[in-house]
Amino acid sequence: ETGVTQTPRHLVMGMTNKKSLKCEQHLGHNAMYWYKQSAKKPLELMFVYNFKEQTENNSVPSRFSPECPNSSHLFLHLHTLQPEDSALYLCASSQDNPTGRALYSPLHFGNGTRLTVT
Amino acid sequence: QKEVEQNSGPLSVPEGAIASLNCTYSDRGSQSFFWYRQYSGKSPELIMFIYSNGDKEDGRFTAQLNKASQYVSLLIRDSQPSDSATYLCAVNMGTQGGSEKLVFGKGTKLTVNP
Repeated sequence: ETGVTQTPRHLVMGMTNKKSLKCEQHLGHNAMYWYKQSAKKPLELMFVYNFKEQTENNSVPSRFSPECPNSSHLFLHLHTLQPEDSALYLCASSQDNPTGRALYSPLHFGNGTRLTVT
Repeated sequence: QKEVEQNSGPLSVPEGAIASLNCTYSDRGSQSFFWYRQYSGKSPELIMFIYSNGDKEDGRFTAQLNKASQYVSLLIRDSQPSDSATYLCAVNMGTQGGSEKLVFGKGTKLTVNP
């Protein structure tokens, strides 16, 4: 039990499908993140939500659409994906300092969703 | 471009030996440094953090930080087969909107041979 739960664990979808990834954190954190992990590449930050406000969008294509209805839940809506979008998508949360730079704010990751686009 | 560099390995050590994992980073202003362990098919889990120059020990793990050289390392003493995993170095390269912006290296794959 990681405290951050992601569903589904595995997802296979066609390029014309629409699907959503779900993440829920039970740690009382105030920031949530989506990361993409592809083979032989570093973890890539996609989106950050802090206090439910999106504070970062790392030039992610519009076929990925995040939603954060509250500080415990995060979604990633997917549509018209490409085969190169196949990867492990990781959700994470942290407790951040709202007034300044947090010196120590580790990320707690969920188990990820293994996405395959056919 | 802010980067974190790690030797991708694989690094292979015999059981009981010391495994040494290295990481360099580009942002001289970085203050927080993290080591995550990721088993195959699993998510990354935090094992160490350090933000002061010098050594920090936690059980069999020692993190070493040299900000002048922009270098951080992780030593694993008395390596066990269960330590076999990919080790990710992550560096805080600032905040945006109050959230930590961690930049990850590609990871070093460690294999401990019985």
